[in-house]
Amino acid sequence: ILNVEQSPQSLHVQEGDSTNFTCSFPSSNFYALHWYRWETAKSPEALFVMTLNGDEKKKGRISATLNTKEGYSYLYIKGSQPEDSATYLCAFISNFGNEKLTFGTGTRLTIIP
Amino acid sequence: DSGVTQTPKHLITATGQRVTLRCSPRSGDLSVYWYQQSLDQGLQFLIQYYNGEERAKGNILERFSAQQFPDLHSELNLSSLELGDSALYFCASSVVEGGTGYNEQFFGPGTRLTVL
Repeated sequence: ILNVEQSPQSLHVQEGDSTNFTCSFPSSNFYALHWYRWETAKSPEALFVMTLNGDEKKKGRISATLNTKEGYSYLYIKGSQPEDSATYLCAFISNFGNEKLTFGTGTRLTIIP
Repeated sequence: DSGVTQTPKHLITATGQRVTLRCSPRSGDLSVYWYQQSLDQGLQFLIQYYNGEERAKGNILERFSAQQFPDLHSELNLSSLELGDSALYFCASSVVEGGTGYNEQFFGPGTRLTVL
C-alpha cells in the first residue's frame, strides 16, 4: 500500500498572504507526481505533473517543487485570492508499471477576504 | 469544461440493483480512468483502460466491472449495490505521450450515486 500524505489537512489564509503545503510520498520507486485543484461542486483540475527531482513548475501565482530523494513536494500560492479557495490534491505514481494514481487526502484551503 | 462527459449526473437506486455509468473522454484521449470518492475517503482509483484494453486496476470490487468500447467511451457497471457504494464516481481521460503517468488527467463532472 502506497502512503501519500498531505499536510496540513486544512488551512485558513488571509487574502493577500502567501502560503504553502506539503505532499509526502514514498521516495523509492518514484515515477511521477500530480497536483490537482478541486473546487467545491466541481471536478478536479490538473495543476502540474512533475517527473524529475528538482523540478519546479509555475502557473501564475501557483508554483510547485519536487524532491524525489526525500519524498516530498511543496505547493506554493503567492498573494492568495478568494478564488484560490479549494482542496489541493497530490497524486503519486510509482514505477511498478501500472501507472495508477494514488491520491493524498488533500489540503483544504480557505482564503479569508 | 474539461471535455470529458459523464452521464447520468445523479442516480438514485435501491440496494441489490445494478447500474451503468457512462463516460466519454476528450476527443483524442485514449486512456480512461474511473475513480470513486466516498464521504469518508479520498479519491480512490478503480480502473484504467487504454484503447479498449484494461491497463491498471485499483481497489475495484468484484461486483464492479468496466469496459472501453471501440469509440473509446467507457462504462462502469456496478451490481448488487450496497449502501456503502453511495459515492461520487469520476471518470478522467488523458493523452498517452511518453507514458500515461506523465500526462495530466482531465476529469468529468462526476456521477453521484445514492443507494437507498
